[in-house]
Amino acid sequence: GESVGLHLPTLSVQEGDNSIINCAYSNSASDYFIWYKQESGKGPQFIIDIRSNMDKRQGQRVTVLLNKTVKHLSLQIAATQPGDSAVYFCAENRASGGSYIPTFGRGTSLIVHP
Amino acid sequence: GAVVSQHPSWVICKSGTSVKIECRSLDFQATTMFWYRQFPKQSLMLMATSNEGSKATYEQGVEKDKFLINHASLTLSTLTVTSAHPEDSSFYICSAGEGAANEKLFFGSGTQLSVL
Repeated sequence: GESVGLHLPTLSVQEGDNSIINCAYSNSASDYFIWYKQESGKGPQFIIDIRSNMDKRQGQRVTVLLNKTVKHLSLQIAATQPGDSAVYFCAENRASGGSYIPTFGRGTSLIVHP
Repeated sequence: GAVVSQHPSWVICKSGTSVKIECRSLDFQATTMFWYRQFPKQSLMLMATSNEGSKATYEQGVEKDKFLINHASLTLSTLTVTSAHPEDSSFYICSAGEGAANEKLFFGSGTQLSVL
């Protein structure tokens, strides 16, 4: 489940490397997942989403993998750039009264060194 | 993508005063908006779900009388922190959902509240 209250884990990479950010979700009934990027002092930005009927989805330089068996989500960023430095959150969506209520994961701080 | 505008970006107030934060969906209608609170280096904590034309749904542990939410139109939700105290200092973020089940969220830029 969420670990709200604990400090964010950090992933440090060199520019040009590939980055993999992991997320464990808690509700096996969740069927829609989103990765967000949050830069310091700003609101989260949508990166990529995936529904539970898929196990992989690709975007521009990003790939999301979903493993429902172990309730695990990952975000892969290819050729990481300094501009990718930010905090990344996964969000699981649970259905509630016909709409979705999002729950955010703990977050990972990505630091890209030039 | 859709744009959500949040104002003010930051506010400093004296203890005991009330502060209103606005969240607007600029190019789409949002029957549902969400309000979050975020402490430094921590995740977003959902405070409440704001429903247009009806009462907000608060998460467990969030004081309804402390954090007043009004969603009077399909493009505007407001959060009022009443009688603010230093422990209310935080980064507050709103989001609005697009889509039939508002699954795709777009976020405001956040409001940094500092209560002296």
